[in-house]
Amino acid sequence: EDQVTQSPEALRLQEGESSSLNCSYTVSGLRGLFWYRQDPGKGPEFLFTLYSAGEEKEKERLKATLTKKESFLHITAPKPEDSATYLCAVRDSGGYQKVTFGTGTKLQVIP
Amino acid sequence: KAGVTQTPRYLIKTRGQQVTLSCSPISGHRSVSWYQQTPGQGLQFLFEYFSETQRNKGNFPGRFSGRQFSNSRSEMNVSTLELGDSALYLCASSRSGTGAGETQYFGPGTRLLVL
Repeated sequence: EDQVTQSPEALRLQEGESSSLNCSYTVSGLRGLFWYRQDPGKGPEFLFTLYSAGEEKEKERLKATLTKKESFLHITAPKPEDSATYLCAVRDSGGYQKVTFGTGTKLQVIP
Repeated sequence: KAGVTQTPRYLIKTRGQQVTLSCSPISGHRSVSWYQQTPGQGLQFLFEYFSETQRNKGNFPGRFSGRQFSNSRSEMNVSTLELGDSALYLCASSRSGTGAGETQYFGPGTRLLVL
């Protein structure tokens, strides 16, 4: 069964203090790894899709990277508005390519 | 392009009642997936529909059911509600669900409270 583990569960940063969130996965065959941002009481907002090891994608202060066993979401010089829960998910290569989510990392950026 | 819409946004029910939630996917998207999100369990996959057929199913009891219409709109139904069904129910759509690394886009969710 596919598994996605995110760490840390919670992270508190000072504004401008860069850090990384980790997503470790076990999947029979990876068809895609996804990062989402979720604000309280709202639906997840799509950030990135990564397809193969070595791939990197960037958007503003966020950069996602992928290896064969894990993905990192790097946050450079975060601002308070980056505070949210960041979710990682994988789509497997099975018959109908089910999507499995991690439990997320709750990020708080303090001014 | 309009995003995924879900109705209603908030719902309060009592134990034993049933509830129906609705989801309209992004135009052109034919795959609709449903998730239950609770603080302790995170996002749990309920089921996925494509072309009016259930294609994938998570580990939820039979009280949870769904359907999809010819216009790709989907509904999910929960019968005989229990207190533990209180959660945020999220709907996500994608083009076909089987394209390489196809991305799901989420709606705002329906917050269900069971008293």
